Amino acid sequence: DTGVSQNPRHKITKRGQNVTFRCDPISEHNRLYWYRQTLGQGPEFLTYFQNEAQLEKSRLLSDRFSAERPKGSFSTLEIQRTEQGDSAMYLCASSFEDRGLGEQYFGPGTRLTVT
Amino acid sequence: LAKTTQPISMDSYEGQEVNITCSHNNIATNDYITWYQQFPSQGPRFIIQGYKTKVTNEVASLFIPADRKSSTLSLPRVSLSDTAVYYCLVDYYNQGGKLIFGQGTELSVKP
Repeated sequence: DTGVSQNPRHKITKRGQNVTFRCDPISEHNRLYWYRQTLGQGPEFLTYFQNEAQLEKSRLLSDRFSAERPKGSFSTLEIQRTEQGDSAMYLCASSFEDRGLGEQYFGPGTRLTVT
Repeated sequence: LAKTTQPISMDSYEGQEVNITCSHNNIATNDYITWYQQFPSQGPRFIIQGYKTKVTNEVASLFIPADRKSSTLSLPRVSLSDTAVYYCLVDYYNQGGKLIFGQGTELSVKP
């Protein structure tokens, strides 16, 4: 297994456009997390899935953001009507855990620039 | 209000032991504390995790006092390649499962 992969690695879009990012977790991992990281800050939790169920959403996740994980495999994060404030690195992580918090394996991230 | 706080930066020299402390005043009994390392343009990488007393692995130790309001990551004999940003993550499980990272400690190791 090559680890967590994210595509695209970079995305430049104009304000008001929709963008979609993909995350492919480590295959046997049942949990998948999305974070947003801006320069000089720690990652901010956005949402997480256990298998295909979305169990937690941060209040940071406005109604312009939506995430899915069909069949408990890969996940997509969509941002509608992008704003300049959405410019950030979007990180995906996966873990295997049946309770508590396990070791999260992070992907390389997708850097979004909104012009 | 759950918050995870750590120093912004630290300097050290090769071969020294480095201790980075994280404050998490509102932590509950079963909330885990995890430390990650991040290099530029990469995702964070797991270092160590615990929720009480002391945990040690091949790269670090994690010390958690009895009141659990803080924790200390200890890196023995750092090298230049340990120059990175170190994040403390607390899973405030008993406060709705909020995963809160600290703002990161930028460690600079000098020769």
